[in-house]
Amino acid sequence: EAQVTQNPRYLITVTGKKLTVTCSQNMNHEYMSWYRQDPGLGLRQIYYSMNVEVTDKGDVPEGYKVSRKEKRNFPLILESPSPNQTSLYFCASSPYPGFQETQYFGPGTRLLVL
Amino acid sequence: GDSVTQMEGPVTLSEEAFLTINCTYTATGYPSLFWYVQYPGEGLQLLLKATKADDKGSNKGFEATYRKETTSFHLEKGSVQVSDSAVYFCASYLGNTGKLIFGQGTTLQVKP
Repeated sequence: EAQVTQNPRYLITVTGKKLTVTCSQNMNHEYMSWYRQDPGLGLRQIYYSMNVEVTDKGDVPEGYKVSRKEKRNFPLILESPSPNQTSLYFCASSPYPGFQETQYFGPGTRLLVL
Repeated sequence: GDSVTQMEGPVTLSEEAFLTINCTYTATGYPSLFWYVQYPGEGLQLLLKATKADDKGSNKGFEATYRKETTSFHLEKGSVQVSDSAVYFCASYLGNTGKLIFGQGTTLQVKP
């Protein structure tokens, strides 16, 4: 089944404790992206990747890191999480960032930083 | 900058009622436009899309028409069902960066 998977689905952590949220897609997509969803703000892009070893900042990159060493994986790293990073996170992918391409979303990771 | 604005929710309707969720956009150029739906506890999935002016996207009884003159992409459905209860997001697409710009989302509750 073609899908985007994220792990973990739920995570409670404390301020300053490094964490990684994994994202993997099995559709051989070139493009991958991370969004965060907050009430009243919709989804905002954190980072995106056009292809392996190519990443760039989205609208809200502060406090996050990403890497794209393999085509299928695009982990999101929070080196020192803070309470304002409590949010619902979505990974997405598409064949390539073309004009008409649909993006496919993972199920989401709900993060609580205490 | 580019942006997408949706009507405030929640929208509460009775089953079989007519649905309209308003969406307007600002953009340099002519973006592709999308409606995504998020069912409780799930990720977003594409509902419909339109890539140029006057295009109509449709799926599962939902429709939206790309209106360049009013910069709008309103979502409509003639007869909603309880199973349509979800959060609906309008989005525009910047093709050169791959970035989707989302509206704030509109929660729809359909009561039997």
